[in-house]
Amino acid sequence: TQLLEQSPQFLSIQEGENLTVYCNSSSVFSSLQWYRQEPGEGPVLLVTVVTGGEVKKLKRLTFQFGDARKDSSLHITAAQPGDTGLYLCAGARNNNDMRFGAGTRLTVKP
Amino acid sequence: NAGVTQTPKFRVLKTGQSMTLLCAQDMNHEYMYWYRQDPGMGLRLIHYSVGEGTTAKGEVPDGYNVSRLKKQNFLLGLESAAPSQTSVYFCASSPVRLYGYTFGSGTRLTVV
Repeated sequence: TQLLEQSPQFLSIQEGENLTVYCNSSSVFSSLQWYRQEPGEGPVLLVTVVTGGEVKKLKRLTFQFGDARKDSSLHITAAQPGDTGLYLCAGARNNNDMRFGAGTRLTVKP
Repeated sequence: NAGVTQTPKFRVLKTGQSMTLLCAQDMNHEYMYWYRQDPGMGLRLIHYSVGEGTTAKGEVPDGYNVSRLKKQNFLLGLESAAPSQTSVYFCASSPVRLYGYTFGSGTRLTVV
């Protein structure tokens, strides 16, 4: 069982649609990070959230950290083919441990 | 600015062979990490280092060894490769622990 559960596992949508992916856990995290990974490449950091209830926006991407710091969501508005990739969340715990979810694989069709 | 560079990019080993994966970073980061990525499992930490000359075990350290003789380099060794070690290996570095990771582009290792 993964410490961080990401859903959905796969998502295929048309260009212009909106979507939300989720990252859930029963553990409390001191911070949570989101990464995007493209085929054959390493993950690239998108954002870090540290405060419960925090919302951060990165162009068409909106990230939210849950009030209890156990979960997070990523919302993409008007998705574009360039958004295609594997989205990973990673949670840092106070015992100096960082755990990654298995990811949501997003495909945006033109 | 190269960031984190991993070599080699691909490798095929026979069971029982040994090899070393090299990771180099040019950002003067103190912290370096080795992860493996398997389908449906996410990234799992193998070993990490909090500075030159230090190493520590992560979540899945068995069958691997590491060394950090220079601040910019972090080596991952497999002494006797097993098919269960077939995976994609990523190196990462960060200026502080648990924050702002920069990943390399990975090494795809197949053990037959």
